[in-house]
Amino acid sequence: AQSVTQPDIHITVSEGASLELRCNYSYGATPYLFWYVQSPGQGLQLLLKYFSGDTLVQGIKGFEAEFKRSQSSFNLRKPSVHWSDAAEYFCAATTGNKLTFGGGTRVLVKP
Amino acid sequence: DARVTQTPRHKVTEMGQEVTMRCQPILGHNTVFWYRQTMMQGLELLAYFRNRAPLDDSGMPKDRFSAEMPDATLATLKIQPSEPRDSAVYFCASGNSGQGAVVQPQHFGDGTRLSIL
Repeated sequence: AQSVTQPDIHITVSEGASLELRCNYSYGATPYLFWYVQSPGQGLQLLLKYFSGDTLVQGIKGFEAEFKRSQSSFNLRKPSVHWSDAAEYFCAATTGNKLTFGGGTRVLVKP
Repeated sequence: DARVTQTPRHKVTEMGQEVTMRCQPILGHNTVFWYRQTMMQGLELLAYFRNRAPLDDSGMPKDRFSAEMPDATLATLKIQPSEPRDSAVYFCASGNSGQGAVVQPQHFGDGTRLSIL
């Protein structure tokens, strides 16, 4: 069955430190991959997407993600987090129209 | 920026009542999705439409839930009768897709927070 796994439920990071969120997928073929962010009381906002081509993808808010086919991973990174990055982050994948979401990683930012 | 608009943002009602949630997709988008988010289950796809036609509602409890698109600017999700276990945040998302499954990102509304007492 198709699935997306985010191994970390919570991550706490200090402001200014780097952040990496893990995402692994299990699909028969390489899916299209997305990262979304959800702030409290809000919907999901698209950070970035990978369809094909360059495996390092730049997104909004200073985020980037790297697709690694050999590891079936699509990890999200940010070099220096800001307090406003505290939110829940979802990795998602699809080979058609239906998105499969990971369980989410909640990021807490310490001052 | 174009946005997906959902109403109401919050709804509290008693079990047994009918609940209707509405969604205005982004103009020009041809695909509309309904999701439910709970702490226990995370994000679940309930149903989706392309060009107003239902393509998949396998995630939706058929006995009490119904989803429709009366026109291209309105999608509705109804629960009748509602039960406490339906308490969740319901999200609508819209995007563009074609027969060849050309995938475009989905854009989400801010959700309807539903509480059934």
